[in-house]
Amino acid sequence: EDQVTQSPEALRLQEGESSSLNCSYTVSGLRGLFWYRQDPGKGPEFLFTLYSAGEEKEKERLKATLTKKESFLHITAPKPEDSATYLCAVQAEVGTSYGKLTFGQGTILTVHP
Amino acid sequence: DAGITQSPRHKVTETGTPVTLRCHQTENHRYMYWYRQDPGHGLRLIHYSYGVKDTDKGEVSDGYSVSRSKTEDFLLTLESATSSQTSVYFCAITPGTGAEAFFGQGTRLTVV
Repeated sequence: EDQVTQSPEALRLQEGESSSLNCSYTVSGLRGLFWYRQDPGKGPEFLFTLYSAGEEKEKERLKATLTKKESFLHITAPKPEDSATYLCAVQAEVGTSYGKLTFGQGTILTVHP
Repeated sequence: DAGITQSPRHKVTETGTPVTLRCHQTENHRYMYWYRQDPGHGLRLIHYSYGVKDTDKGEVSDGYSVSRSKTEDFLLTLESATSSQTSVYFCAITPGTGAEAFFGQGTRLTVV
């Protein structure tokens, strides 16, 4: 059974204080690891896809990295508008997975001015 | 933004009544999904579709059924709503495996 665990559950930062969110996973062959951002009352918004260990992707203040067991979402010099819940999900490479995603419970990030 | 519309956005219903949620897409994507999101559980897959009239169960499918008669529409039905089905329901679409999924805005369902 595929599993995704995110830590911490909640993270409070001061504006400009860099940090990282963790996503540990077990999957029977990784097809892709996905990061999403979710604002209150809205659907998840796609951020990144990582496909293989060693891969990195960046977008503004966010950088996602991937190893064979976990992924990190690094936030550099965050701003209050980065406050959101960040979700990690994996897609297994098992026969015909049909694109199904297994999600972690998310990390609630709050950035104070 | 991906063209996904969920309806209704909010619904309150009584225990034992049938409820149908609709997901409509304008992207012509093959794959469609229904997830539910609950505190402490994250997003969990209910049912999914890999083509017109091709559907299958996810990890939390008990009490739910789905139908997909057209590429653009994926319906989720609660045959007899229970309080445990109070949740936020999200529809998602993707053009293929390995590609990112795009989510709708969600439907907040309350069963009283």
